[in-house]
Amino acid sequence: GAVVSQHPSWVICKSGTSVKIECRSLDFQATTMFWYRQFPKQSLMLMATSNEGSKATYEQGVEKDKFLINHASLTLSTLTVTSAHPEDSSFYICSAARTRTSGIQYFGAGTRLSVL
Amino acid sequence: DAKTTQPPSMDCAEGRAANLPCNHSTISGNEYVYWYRQIHSQGPQYIIHGLKNNETNEMASLIITEDRKSSTLILPHATLRDTAVYYCIVHPSSKDDMRFGAGTRLTVKP
Repeated sequence: GAVVSQHPSWVICKSGTSVKIECRSLDFQATTMFWYRQFPKQSLMLMATSNEGSKATYEQGVEKDKFLINHASLTLSTLTVTSAHPEDSSFYICSAARTRTSGIQYFGAGTRLSVL
Repeated sequence: DAKTTQPPSMDCAEGRAANLPCNHSTISGNEYVYWYRQIHSQGPQYIIHGLKNNETNEMASLIITEDRKSSTLILPHATLRDTAVYYCIVHPSSKDDMRFGAGTRLTVKP
C-alpha cells in the first residue's frame, strides 16, 4: 500500500512553454501533498506544501506565479511550471501524507525536466 | 526544527551491518527522528521513525540515545541494493512540512 504515482517521469520542453506534472496517491487519500526540487548532487529542497481544497503554501524564494500548484482532490496534486527556462531544469519530486502532520511521506518516482 | 548532522559518506561490506549515525543535539521533546533513503534518481523512501524508544521494522532498526541527542540507523545485513543517500530528519508532531539535509551517502561494496 501507500503508492504515489508521478507523471511524466521525464519531459523535455522548449524555453517559454509550460509543463504540468501530476502526482497521484493510488491507494490512499492524501490530505497533504508536497513538492520538492532537487538539483544534481544536492538534497531535496521543499518548494511548497498543499492541503486538499486549500491554496498551497510556498517556501521563501519560490515564485507562486511560476510554479502553480493545484490540489483539487485527496488523490491528485499538480505542479505546473509556467514559462519554463533552462534554469528550471531539475528533478521534481512529489510526496503525499495521509494527515497534515504525519511525518511519513510517500514519494513519487520524480520527474526530470529539461528545458532547452 | 532541530538541525541534524550526518557524515557525508560511509562504506559498508555486503552482508555486514551498516550503522549510520545522526546527531541532533538540539532536538525538542515533541520532535520525532525520521529516516528516509533515496536510491539514485528515485524518490525518497520512508524507512523508520521513533521518539525515544528503539524501533525495529522489516527494513531497519533505530537506536535513539537516552538523552535523544543522537541516533543510529542500523541495516542488519546490507546488500548492494541498500546503496543510497540516507537522510536523518527531526520533525515535530505539530508540523506538516519536512526538510531534508545533506544526508549520508552509503556505498555497499561486494
